[in-house]
This record gives sequence, structure tokens and C-alpha cells, in this order.
Amino acid sequence: GENVEQHPSTLSVQEGDSAVIKCTYSDSASNYFPWYKQELGKRPQLIIDIRSNVGEKKDQRIAVTLNKTAKHFSLHITETQPEDSAVYFCAATFTGGGNKLTFGTGTQLKVEL
Amino acid sequence: GAVVSQHPSWVICKSGTSVKIECRSLDFQATTMFWYRQFPKQSLMLMATSNEGSKATYEQGVEKDKFLINHASLTLSTLTVTSAHPEDSSFYICSARDSLDSGSLHFGNGTRLTVT
Repeated sequence: GENVEQHPSTLSVQEGDSAVIKCTYSDSASNYFPWYKQELGKRPQLIIDIRSNVGEKKDQRIAVTLNKTAKHFSLHITETQPEDSAVYFCAATFTGGGNKLTFGTGTQLKVEL
Repeated sequence: GAVVSQHPSWVICKSGTSVKIECRSLDFQATTMFWYRQFPKQSLMLMATSNEGSKATYEQGVEKDKFLINHASLTLSTLTVTSAHPEDSSFYICSARDSLDSGSLHFGNGTRLTVT
């Protein structure tokens, strides 16, 4: 089955700096890669996603890049703000196989003032 | 947008009792729903895939007789934790796939289960 690795496990940045979280996946058939933000005790919130036919996608301060050859994808957050502090999870799935998401291990992002 | 209602949001039960958690898609049909378990400071681990009108598919290491899943309609899946033990205490989250948009997964708010 799919295996998703995520790094780093914790990330501390100063407000206004950029944050980058990286994930690798094992199943070359995976074609959908969402990123979730989860605050303590709450459900994961989809913040951005990318499909395998696209190499990069941007939404305001958030961007995701995908390298299919290397089987890795990254989340980039620019101009970080304290409210960006949360746990971020990457995930991967093959949408033709039932959408069974495999999550990465998570990154605790802390944005310091 | 699509809404998934999960109930209850938290529950405390005694060891040996059973607890049922409901997951409802409110404004879309979901032939497939997923149940995840999340321990503190850990990732979401898929427990099982719930398919409307058929048996659930369980992930390796998940006891199907302990975690009973029923998906009797296109908008409702239930997870019953039977003979609960303290080690079953966790955050359980369901997600539902929109039957008309296979790329969309929508999460419930989760259920915090504490077994005493």
C-alpha cells in the first residue's frame, strides 16, 4: 500500500518568514495530494491540493509543488502569521482506487512573534 | 459547501460497554465513507472503508469484530466500538466521499472517546 513520509515533524519560524514542509510517497499510481491543517481537537481542514497533472499550485500565501518523478511534494507558506500555527498533514491517494487517503505523520508548525 | 455531521462530539464510557458513533453526509450522497483514529500528537490512521450496502473493508490490524461498521444508506455510516477498553480512548474521525465528485473528501468534526 501507500506510504507517506513527512518532514520535519516540528518547525518553528518567525512571523513573516516562510515555512516549507516536505512529503514523499511510495505509490507511483497516486494522483491526488491534499494538504490539511489541523488545530488541536478539531477536524483536519483542507487548505490546498494538487493533482498529478499539475506541477505547482498557488493560493495566496500557500503553494504546493509536486515532483512526480521523485515522488515528492511540498507545502510552502509565505509571510507566516501566528494563526498559521497548527499541525499540517500531507496525504496521498489514487482517486481511481476508492480515495483511501494515506496521511503523513504531521508537522507541528509554530509561528513566533 | 458539503457538510459531514459526526455525533457525538465527545463521549465517556465505562470499560466493557459499547459506543456508537454516527457519521452523516447532510447535503450529498456518499457511497464511501472512511473511519480514522487519531491518538494524541499522532497522525490519522485509517481504520476501515465503509461501503454503502456492503461490508466494510478493514485495514490490517483493525479488529472487525471490535469496530463494527454499518453503512445502511447513502448518507449514514456508523462505527460501534464494542467492549471498549481504556486503550480505545482516542479521537475518531469520519470522512465521506461525494459520490458525484470522487476527488472530494469531507471530514466530520470528530468524536473524542474516553473509556474509563
